[in-house]
Amino acid sequence: EVQLVQSGAEAKKPGESLKISCKGSGYIFTDYWIGWVRQMPGKGLEWMGIFFPGDSDTIYNPSFQGQVTMSGDKSIDTAYLHWTSLKASDTAIYYCARRNLGSGWEPWGQGTLVTVSS
Amino acid sequence: SYELTQPPSVSVSPGQTARITCSGDALPNQFAYWYQQKAGQAPVLIIYKDTERPSGIPERFSGSSSGTTVTLTISGVQAEDEADYYCQSADINVTYWVFGGGTKLSVL
Repeated sequence: EVQLVQSGAEAKKPGESLKISCKGSGYIFTDYWIGWVRQMPGKGLEWMGIFFPGDSDTIYNPSFQGQVTMSGDKSIDTAYLHWTSLKASDTAIYYCARRNLGSGWEPWGQGTLVTVSS
Repeated sequence: SYELTQPPSVSVSPGQTARITCSGDALPNQFAYWYQQKAGQAPVLIIYKDTERPSGIPERFSGSSSGTTVTLTISGVQAEDEADYYCQSADINVTYWVFGGGTKLSVL
């Protein structure tokens, strides 16, 4: 079964750093782009960017460029989303999803809730 | 920046047909995808390439495309279809992706 499993919920303070993860299984991890999506409380889905584990190629939504970093470790089939200095406005659920060429984004991870509060 | 526009809400009674639209300038040249998100859950792909349905998705879900608008149609709506629905597409180079603002389907 193709699956993406994300790391657990995080509670952080403004200014702290954070790295959340998305681990793939059931397929060749390096063959598919991984997309990251933000969902702020009560709001819609926002595309943050996509990461290709095969060669670490990354495309950022300009709105998120410089705010987060996407990376991965193909030796453990895991993609990461990293913040160096969190803000309260980063409070959201973050999803990863596999981009299937021509057939949509599927599956999705279960989501990671990030809460940033002083 | 590229945008996709959806109605914020649609309401139907059980057994009726719900239609949710998504408009965007690049849709004549790029495929659209539809996702269903139930409360507290991750999104699920329900339509890809404008009209195709992944395995396991009920036949009552269908998609269509006309010009700059794509439409998700749910025939014979059931209570379990109450959810938020999002369209998704990409720019002409399939470099940047975008989601519509989402439509809340209420089953009265």
